[in-house]
Formats: sequence, C-alpha cells, structure tokens
Amino acid sequence: NAGVTQTPKFQVLKTGQSMTLQCAQDMNHEYMSWYRQDPGMGLRLIHYSVGAGITDQGEVPNGYNVSRSTTEDFPLRLLSAAPSQTSVYFCASSYSLRGGLVDTQYFGPGTRLTVL
Amino acid sequence: ILNVEQSPQSLHVQEGDSTNFTCSFPSSNFYALHWYRWETAKSPEALFVMTLNGDEKKKGRISATLNTKEGYSYLYIKGSQPEDSATYLCAFKDNFNKFYFGSGTKLNVKP
Repeated sequence: NAGVTQTPKFQVLKTGQSMTLQCAQDMNHEYMSWYRQDPGMGLRLIHYSVGAGITDQGEVPNGYNVSRSTTEDFPLRLLSAAPSQTSVYFCASSYSLRGGLVDTQYFGPGTRLTVL
Repeated sequence: ILNVEQSPQSLHVQEGDSTNFTCSFPSSNFYALHWYRWETAKSPEALFVMTLNGDEKKKGRISATLNTKEGYSYLYIKGSQPEDSATYLCAFKDNFNKFYFGSGTKLNVKP
C-alpha cells in the first residue's frame, strides 16, 4: 500500500493564481480531510469528507474548494491564491466515521505552498 | 472556534528522565481524543485514540490517560530516549466529525 500520497511536494504561486493540490489514498478509507499547518498554530482543518459525494467545511474553509467524486481522491483547490495561504498542507484519511467507528488518521507527506 | 490547548509548548529533558504533557479540551460534544507523534520533516503518526472517560492506553514506554468530564488528557513517557524527540500533538474530535488539534508539545531529549 502506498498509503496517503500528495502532489506536488512544493509549489510556488503568484497572488491570484489557482491550483489544485492532489491527495489520494489506497486504503479504502471513507473519511478524508485537509489541514494547513502554520507556525505556532498546529494543524487546522480546512475541509473534510465522510465519503464519496459528501464534503463539509472545517475550521478555515475560506478560499478553498474540495470535491470527492471517488473514495480514493480528495483534491483541494485554491481558487485565487493569496499570501495568507502560504502554508504546509496535509491530507489525511481514516476508516468510516459514519457509524461512530473511530480510527486513527493517516497523514500524507505534505505540500509546502508559497504564495508570492 | 473550539480551543485545544497543550502544555508545555516545549520541554528539554535528559535521557532517562520521565516526563508528561497535558492536553486540555472542551468537555461538551466530545467524541474522541487522539495523540500523534510528529518528527521533523515527517508526517504525524498516530499514538493513541481514546473515547471513554478513564481510558488508559499504553504503547511501550508511552502511555496516556483521559478525563472527559474535566476535559484533559495526559501523555507520559517513561525513561525518555533521544529517539523520543518529536512534537506530540493531541486532537479533539467532536460529534460532528471535525478534528481540532492543539499546537503541540515539542520534546527534546538530550543524550
């Protein structure tokens, strides 16, 4: 199993550009999520999904869109990049939470994004 | 915005010392409390998931306890080793499938 994969590893954008951060998992996990990590602030939830076709907002969703057309993929789209979105982005997945089953999250390697 | 606090922010101990950290969280809408270990240049890795008040979990020299009524969890490391050096994160999961992370405790174990 590859686990959770993220691409790209590094990206530099100019203000106003758009891009998609890719996240995929091969563990058949229903729950997937996106976090951003900023110095001194820990991980903050951007968006999450409890299954294909279902997404919801986390703590800091503004400026980001997500979709979940398959169980495996959960891309994060930056609509119009701003310097405030300079951060390290982590994708994570875990087993189904719909039935109350709680399991640990597996994290991808992260994408370091700089917006100039 | 839900507040999850971890203390201390950083800790420097000698090899062989035992240490503990605290994670504080709201006692309402509690579903689970996760602990993760995060080494520099790597991704967070799960240590424990706890759901019930009074839960105690153990993995080798690391253990954790949970008090959901007063809203705190302790992580203990017995006989710290240099390889334990990492940032330890706790995450509160609410009843709506959302996770809230603390900012972590950075542990440095000197040989």
